[in-house]
Amino acid sequence: DTEVTQTPKHLVMGMTNKKSLKCEQHMGHRAMYWYKQKAKKPPELMFVYSYEKLSINESVPSRFSPECPNSSLLNLHLHALQPEDSALYLCASSQPGSANGQFFGPGTRLTVL
Amino acid sequence: GQQLNQSPQSMFIQEGEDVSMNCTSSSIFNTWLWYKQDPGEGPVLLIALYKAGELTSNGRLTAQFGITRKDSFLNISASIPSDVGIYFCAGQLLGNTNAGKSTFGDGTTLTVKP
Repeated sequence: DTEVTQTPKHLVMGMTNKKSLKCEQHMGHRAMYWYKQKAKKPPELMFVYSYEKLSINESVPSRFSPECPNSSLLNLHLHALQPEDSALYLCASSQPGSANGQFFGPGTRLTVL
Repeated sequence: GQQLNQSPQSMFIQEGEDVSMNCTSSSIFNTWLWYKQDPGEGPVLLIALYKAGELTSNGRLTAQFGITRKDSFLNISASIPSDVGIYFCAGQLLGNTNAGKSTFGDGTTLTVKP
């Protein structure tokens, strides 16, 4: 299985809602990533988990809360988002310190009303 | 922080033509990666380069890791309609604090006319 899956594919939420994005991989990778991508722009790194511990937080606002419950799962909890947070949210995985690049999921298209 | 300059920003070519795009950086990387992203999908890794001067092919794709470790190019030969998409270069500096962290270029949007 060389796939990273993400659910949901699309999400529309209001500014007062609480929702979660989910990501799963079964490649045995021990590094998992959240990226935010705006249209026609490159992915922007948000968080990195290495061996289920948060290793990088790129100064992301606290309305985004990541969680890595085990080595296969990565969640991103969303609360009190702003319309400018609307974007494609990508999950990726790799082996920690690997030079072989990352496997990306298809993303969740988030719209904040 | 590190910045990558990727060019051209966009290309409109005829099917069958060859394509070349490149990335330059203000600092060195240990690894250069090239990804392609189709609409509505995540980026997919095309080629990874690990050594300065390395030239690597993957089918019609050829990429090189610059001697100075500050640049890389990607060539696509005999383009076909399914080559349409956004191509991103990415540089990696490996180390304890980096955990495979990549710096992405701004992307090259390729359009292929049949």
